[in-house]
Amino acid sequence: AQSVTQPDIHITVSEGASLELRCNYSYGATPYLFWYVQSPGQGLQLLLKYFSGDTLVQGIKGFEAEFKRSQSSFNLRKPSVHWSDAAEYFCAVGGASKIIFGSGTRLSIRP
Amino acid sequence: DAGVIQSPRHEVTEMGQEVTLRCKPISGHDYLFWYRQTMMRGLELLIYFNNNVPIDDSGMPEDRFSAKMPNASFSTLKIQPSEPRDSAVYFCASSLVVGNEQFFGPGTRLTVL
Repeated sequence: AQSVTQPDIHITVSEGASLELRCNYSYGATPYLFWYVQSPGQGLQLLLKYFSGDTLVQGIKGFEAEFKRSQSSFNLRKPSVHWSDAAEYFCAVGGASKIIFGSGTRLSIRP
Repeated sequence: DAGVIQSPRHEVTEMGQEVTLRCKPISGHDYLFWYRQTMMRGLELLIYFNNNVPIDDSGMPEDRFSAKMPNASFSTLKIQPSEPRDSAVYFCASSLVVGNEQFFGPGTRLTVL
């Protein structure tokens, strides 16, 4: 069965520091993988997606994610966070069937 | 394209009243999804449609909830009668393919007093 695990409920990082948000998935075939961001009071916006090919994908707002099949992971990274990155981040897996979303990681930025 | 459109953006009603939430998907998208988001339960898929036909309604919490999609450009989610525990943000999303990128609307914040 499809599943997505985001082990970190809440992360706080200092402005300018690097960021890595973890995501592990379970899927029976080649997955489609997504990261979404939700700012307070907003809907979910797609940051980036992986379907095939290069396992390092670039997204909007300076984010990137790396697909590691051997670890069933799709971690999100950013080299230097900005205060405006404070939001909720959702990892999701899809493919032949409906997308399954993780429970989200709330990112806070320390000035 | 204007993206996914939801109305109203905010709804405040009293317990027992009927509530209707509306969604216009992106033109050409064959799939439409309704989600509910709360602090306690996170993001939950309620139901999704393919070409206006409901495919999976296993997430609909109870018979008080119903959803329709009379045509490719309009869907409604109805709660009758509403209860305070229905208070949440309801999102509509659409996509070209079921397991592919979904585009979300801004949501409807529902408060049931």
